Amino acid sequence: LAKTTQPISMDSYEGQEVNITCSHNNIATNDYITWYQQFPSQGPRFIIQGYKTKVTNEVASLFIPADRKSSTLSLPRVSLSDTAVYYCLLRDDKIIFGKGTRLHILP
Amino acid sequence: KAGVTQTPRYLIKTRGQQVTLSCSPISGHRSVSWYQQTPGQGLQFLFEYFSETQRNKGNFPGRFSGRQFSNSRSEMNVSTLELGDSALYLCASSLALDRIGDYTFGSGTRLTVV
Repeated sequence: LAKTTQPISMDSYEGQEVNITCSHNNIATNDYITWYQQFPSQGPRFIIQGYKTKVTNEVASLFIPADRKSSTLSLPRVSLSDTAVYYCLLRDDKIIFGKGTRLHILP
Repeated sequence: KAGVTQTPRYLIKTRGQQVTLSCSPISGHRSVSWYQQTPGQGLQFLFEYFSETQRNKGNFPGRFSGRQFSNSRSEMNVSTLELGDSALYLCASSLALDRIGDYTFGSGTRLTVV
């Protein structure tokens, strides 16, 4: 049963690049890695998804090494509005959210 | 397009009572998943429905149940409520199973058990 591990919390400053790493040692061959963002009292919102190497969209990049045992979400030039909880998600026989990383952006 | 609609938004119930929560998915989405979110446990998977059939189930007691209707709308029921059932209950819809990247979450139902 795949599980994910993320840092519980991180602090950063406006304008910085933030990297959040998720470990998933037992990822299944057909698992994609998906990241979600959640603001208080709202449902999570999709950020990015990837299978291997690198994926980039308008809000983030996702780096996945060849062994796929970890992934790194990269948020460029964060702002105060990026303060949220970020979840790394796999698909196993059940949907497994990590505990999430509480990212706090400071002015 | 309309998003995922969960009703009610807030609910207060007494221990021992039962509660039914509703989730209307995005039009065309056939998969609905339910999650419980508490400060201590984070987001925990309850169950997933597709075409009116439960396809996956999390590790919750039998007091938690759900169903999906032919129009893909889903309900979840919690019987014999306990104080620990106080949580934000979220549902997510997607076009099909195994489409995690397509998940759209509702804003949730905040259940308080007193």
